[in-house]
Amino acid sequence: SAVISQKPSRDICQRGTSLTIQCQVDSQVTMMFWYRQQPGQSLTLIATANQGSEATYESGFVIDKFPISRPNLTFSTLTVSNMSPEDSSIYLCSVERTGGGEAFFGQGTRLTVV
Amino acid sequence: GQQVMQIPQYQHVQEGEDFTTYCNSSTTLSNIQWYKQRPGGHPVFLIQLVKSGEVKKQKRLTFQFGEAKKNSSLHITATQTTDVGTYFCAGRGGAQKLVFGQGTRLTINP
Repeated sequence: SAVISQKPSRDICQRGTSLTIQCQVDSQVTMMFWYRQQPGQSLTLIATANQGSEATYESGFVIDKFPISRPNLTFSTLTVSNMSPEDSSIYLCSVERTGGGEAFFGQGTRLTVV
Repeated sequence: GQQVMQIPQYQHVQEGEDFTTYCNSSTTLSNIQWYKQRPGGHPVFLIQLVKSGEVKKQKRLTFQFGEAKKNSSLHITATQTTDVGTYFCAGRGGAQKLVFGQGTRLTINP
């Protein structure tokens, strides 16, 4: 299994500001995934982050709004830029077992934009 | 794109009653996974099903994968208060991405 440390665990931010979420994995992984979970909703994949290349974004998510860094095989950051109240959600980072197996999640970042 | 539908959205039961949640994919899946998310927590992996018609059991939980590999179910026998949470299915299709169902939120009257 993988142990994922994600921080901050929660934050309350002013609209128009940006927040960077950090995700640290205890082992080297090729891909890291960022999800958004709006209150009471399912998980929606934002992007897949590969080390050494630009992240791959899903439909409806753009790099200018959610820039991602992946400087090495154990770490990634997701920034939520120019925030509005609609960005209030839980953001989760995730890694998967090699070969299409189970996903492991960080504890999540509960973001409230006021 | 691939869609995974899950029903019901909510289920409230008396402790000791059974519970079932159903998952249906718009496309054939290579595997399907189930996760449990406790209130305030993050999703935790329960099981993965890979083979057509596969049935797996974990104590009071029974997981099934349909013959066409497009649908799945999770059945809990004699629910306990520790079963409270939201149960998600997640299907992996041709694009190899995990697509999550909407989840079924289970609440239990003790």
